[in-house]
Amino acid sequence: SQQGEEDPQALSIQEGENATMNCSYKTSINNLQWYRQNSGRGLVHLILIRSNEREKHSGRLRVTLDTSKKSSSLLITASRAADTASYFCARGIQGAQKLVFGQGTRLTINP
Amino acid sequence: GAGVSQSPSNKVTEKGKDVELRCDPISGHTALYWYRQSLGQGLEFLIYFQGNSAPDKSGLPSDRFSAERTGGSVSTLTIQRTQQEDSAVYLCASSLALGPQRRELFFGEGSRLTVL
Repeated sequence: SQQGEEDPQALSIQEGENATMNCSYKTSINNLQWYRQNSGRGLVHLILIRSNEREKHSGRLRVTLDTSKKSSSLLITASRAADTASYFCARGIQGAQKLVFGQGTRLTINP
Repeated sequence: GAGVSQSPSNKVTEKGKDVELRCDPISGHTALYWYRQSLGQGLEFLIYFQGNSAPDKSGLPSDRFSAERTGGSVSTLTIQRTQQEDSAVYLCASSLALGPQRRELFFGEGSRLTVL
């Protein structure tokens, strides 16, 4: 399967704590993207990291990419209740024109 | 419009009936994608359009599924003789670039299909 794995499947933390989600994949990629999905809604793009980049920041988000280990992580610092959502990593596969999504991590921030 | 628009937002149908789901992408976006998301699951790729042509339709589950795009804009996903396992949220996304190698996808809110 091209989908790889995301872990954990679910994560519950207290407001103010940091949340880390991981994504592993199997095939070569051009880029890796992270998306957020609130319950019952569409997906919203958060950040894109290219295969030649190792780290990228956007506000409270930090994404790392390790192509040698075929893995990425998304860190949300100083979490807020509004960060409660599902987070998906999506791989831009070399030679393909589609994004391949993982199963997602359901993040719950407790006030 | 400002974003990707999908209709209907909810559709309940009886097994065996045909359904059409519509997607209106962001103006000027040449790439259009259909994904399917079952309850609590990730996204399953169905088909990709570049303009009006579909270079990748590898994700369509069976020949009951078809899609077209006209005028490089609106796309329709048709499911014939619906089955209960077709129940899911069907998500449409569009993008400026040829593919997602350089740009993000913009998603609609989805069409929730329930087959009784």
